[in-house]
Amino acid sequence: AQSVAQPEDQVNVAEGNPLTVKCTYSVSGNPYLFWYVQYPNRGLQFLLKYITGDNLVKGSYGFEAEFNKSQTSFHLKKPSALVSDSALYFCAVRDSNRDDKIIFGKGTRLHILP
Amino acid sequence: NAGVTQTPKFQVLKTGQSMTLQCAQDMNHEYMSWYRQDPGMGLRLIHYSVGAGITDQGEVPNGYNVSRSTTEDFPLRLLSAAPSQTSVYFCASSYGSLAYNEQFFGPGTRLTVL
Repeated sequence: AQSVAQPEDQVNVAEGNPLTVKCTYSVSGNPYLFWYVQYPNRGLQFLLKYITGDNLVKGSYGFEAEFNKSQTSFHLKKPSALVSDSALYFCAVRDSNRDDKIIFGKGTRLHILP
Repeated sequence: NAGVTQTPKFQVLKTGQSMTLQCAQDMNHEYMSWYRQDPGMGLRLIHYSVGAGITDQGEVPNGYNVSRSTTEDFPLRLLSAAPSQTSVYFCASSYGSLAYNEQFFGPGTRLTVL
């Protein structure tokens, strides 16, 4: 079955420290992967995606993600966290059984501590 | 551009009532989708459309109907509301297949069914 997992419900990071939000996937075929962010009382916003090419993908607001095929992971990273990065983050993967839709993870709440 | 707009922002229904959640986009996107967001469950696809006149079911379609008469509008109808439909509903649009392209999300409708 196609699936995406975010193993941490919540991540706490001190402001200025590097942050990582984890995502692992299980799909058949090539994985197409996405990260979205949701600020309080807002809709989701696209951060970045991996379709093919370099394993390190750069996205909005200074975020980047590293695709690791052998570990089936697509972790979101940022070198120096800001308090304004506090939000709910969703990883998503193409459903290779239904080429026209994606599957979202359950989300990870990121708290940046001042 | 207004992007993706949704109305209403909040709604309270009684069990058995019907209503329509409105969604419109002004980006000339062919793909539109409806998701529901429940705590700890991420986003689940209800219905989607790949163009005017074409709709298909997602992961959790029961109790919901959609139609797509124009490129801009994609309303979601609750036929007979049930407490299990209490959720936050998001409409999204994309200029191409959801598998490859970022989605633009509306601000959401928070629905409570008593």
